[in-house]
Amino acid sequence: DIVMTQSPDSLAVSLGERATINCKSSQSVLYSSNNKNYLAWYQQKPGQPPKLYIHWASTRESGVPDRFSGSGSGTDFTLTISSLQAEDVAVYYCQQYYTTPRTFGQGTKVEIK
Amino acid sequence: EVQLVESGGGLVKPGGSLRLSCAASGLTFSNAWMSWVRQAPGKGLEWVGRIKSKTHGGTTDYAAPVKGRFTISRDDSKNTQYLQMNSLQTEDTAVYYCTTGGMEFDYWGQGTLVTVSS
Repeated sequence: DIVMTQSPDSLAVSLGERATINCKSSQSVLYSSNNKNYLAWYQQKPGQPPKLYIHWASTRESGVPDRFSGSGSGTDFTLTISSLQAEDVAVYYCQQYYTTPRTFGQGTKVEIK
Repeated sequence: EVQLVESGGGLVKPGGSLRLSCAASGLTFSNAWMSWVRQAPGKGLEWVGRIKSKTHGGTTDYAAPVKGRFTISRDDSKNTQYLQMNSLQTEDTAVYYCTTGGMEFDYWGQGTLVTVSS
C-alpha cells in the first residue's frame, strides 16, 4: 500500500498570510505514460463531508478560490493557500489514486493565529 | 446538481450486519464508478471500496480491513449503491460516506453513522 504522510499535523496562520501543507507518498504516484500525478486534495470543515479541491496534483475544481494551489510531482506535493481567509479553517487531506487501495494522508488542521 | 443520500446507519452489536444505501441523483448513475469512504470519530478518512460501472465490468475492490466482510453492489435501475456489512467489529464504528468516482472522489454524501457496540 502507498502510505501518504502529511506535515505538519496542524498549523496556525494569520489572516492574509500563506499556509503551506506538505504531502509525501511512500512511492511515486506519477504515471509515466501520461505524465500525470494521481494525487488529490480535499477540504473538510467540521460536521461536513470532505470536498474535492484539487486533482491531478494541481488542477483546481470548479468554484475553488484561486488562492488555493497544488504543486509537486512524484512523491512530494504541496497545497498552498496564498492568503488565508477565515473560511479556509478546515482539515485538509491528500489522497493518492495511483493504485488501490486508495489511501489518504492523516490530515492537516489549519487554524487562524 | 449531484446529490448522494446515504441511509441505513445505526447501532449494531459486534458480529452483526447492516446494509447501507446510497441514492444518487443529478448524474448518469449507470456510467459512474462509486465508492465508500469512512471516518471513525475524530479520525481521518479511510477508503472502504469501490464498484466500477457495468460498462467497465461492474467489479469491486476493497480495503484489506473489510475484505471478505463487506460487499458493495449497485442497482442502476434505482440509481442506488449498497454496502452490505457483515461480521461488524467495534473498529468499524464510523461515518460512512458514499462518493462518486473510483479514483478521486468528486461528490460526497452527508454520511451515515454506524456504531458497533454491545
